[in-house]
Order: sequence, then C-alpha cells, then structure tokens
Amino acid sequence: QKEVEQNSGPLSVPEGAIASLNCTYSDRGSQSFFWYRQYSGKSPELIMSIYSNGDKEDGRFTAQLNKASQYVSLLIRDSQPSDSATYLCAVKSGNNRLAFGKGNQVVVIP
Amino acid sequence: EPEVTQTPSHQVTQMGQEVILRCVPISNHLYFYWYRQILGQKVEFLVSFYNNEISEKSEIFDDQFSVERPDGSNFTLKIRSTKLEDSAMYFCASSERRADTDTQYFGPGTRLTVL
Repeated sequence: QKEVEQNSGPLSVPEGAIASLNCTYSDRGSQSFFWYRQYSGKSPELIMSIYSNGDKEDGRFTAQLNKASQYVSLLIRDSQPSDSATYLCAVKSGNNRLAFGKGNQVVVIP
Repeated sequence: EPEVTQTPSHQVTQMGQEVILRCVPISNHLYFYWYRQILGQKVEFLVSFYNNEISEKSEIFDDQFSVERPDGSNFTLKIRSTKLEDSAMYFCASSERRADTDTQYFGPGTRLTVL
C-alpha cells in the first residue's frame, strides 16, 4: 500500500469555480499534513498545513482532515488561472521526513 | 523573506563521475533534508540531517550518496559515481525544529542530468 495516494487525474475547472482535491494516507500514526503547490519545473511551495481534525481556512484555500478515515482534502475557492499547477499532498512520517503523493494537476480555464 | 538557495541550478555530468550539489538552508534552521524528483514522478525523501549527523535516510540513499555540512552555512549532497538513473531534480529543504507542527521549506532545486 502506498504511503500517500492521490488518485484523481488532471482536474479542469472554470475560472471562479471550486477545485476539490483528495488524498489518503496509510500511516494511522501520522500527525502532520501538508499541501504543496508545484509549478512545472519548480520546487514545492507550501500552501497549507493541518494537524487537527476538521477544517482549516487560509484565504481561498481550505484544508480538511479526517484522521479516522485517513483522509485529507484541499478546496480552492474562486479558482484563478494562476492556480493552475500540480498540488502535492505530503504527510510527515518517520523521524521527520515527508512522504509525498504523486500530485494532482489542476488546470483553471479562463 | 529568508529562503533556501541551491547551486548549481543545472548540472550535467558523465556517468561514473562525482557530483556535489550545494544548498544554503535558512539561517536559523537546524534540520536539513534532501529530496529528489525524477521527471514525471513523485517527490522522494533521501536523507535528513541534524546536529552534524544523519537522522534518517531512505533506501535510495545508498553508499554512493553522502551529505556534509562543511561550514556554518552550506549543506551538500555528494554522489560518488553517478548512474543514468540518478538524473532527477534534487531539492534541499530546511526546517526550524523537529516538532511535528514544523514546516519544511524547499529550495529551487538542482536539475542533475547524467549522460
């Protein structure tokens, strides 16, 4: 079983719509969860971190965590063309390492 | 705003050659990491480093790899004898402390091409 799974294919959303991304993880003991944004050829850039069950909002981004279901999600409201990128779900495991999912590509159509 | 820097941005080398990738972590950070990302694949953990020693390494980080903090600012990744499959983006990251609520900040990466 993969540590972090992001199974959805590329997501196309109209400008102004909501983009919804999902992630599941295998290590039930994980306590720290992150969403990074990665533009093509660039490095991961932190969008959100979440540590407790429930929702966490930061501007147009909302992260949701359900530890019982081992599920993390990210909502992007009022999607903008500049949000077009790959979104990486990461879970802190082991001593301090991050385990990444393969990412979900988001394309915002003007 | 402080940031992690990496040099060079692109390194081309011949198979079997040694390469050293350099990173300058954020100045008050104590934990340092290397990750790699093969083209089209996910970001993979290589090694973490704290207090001048390796704290964790993945199975990718075999005897061909080593890390060093040669002075108070630089953090290096050495690959002794490069293979074709070492071609990837290598990202350095740093974090302020080890607590579970800490965040790792990534540098811009070094693209390594092994011919």
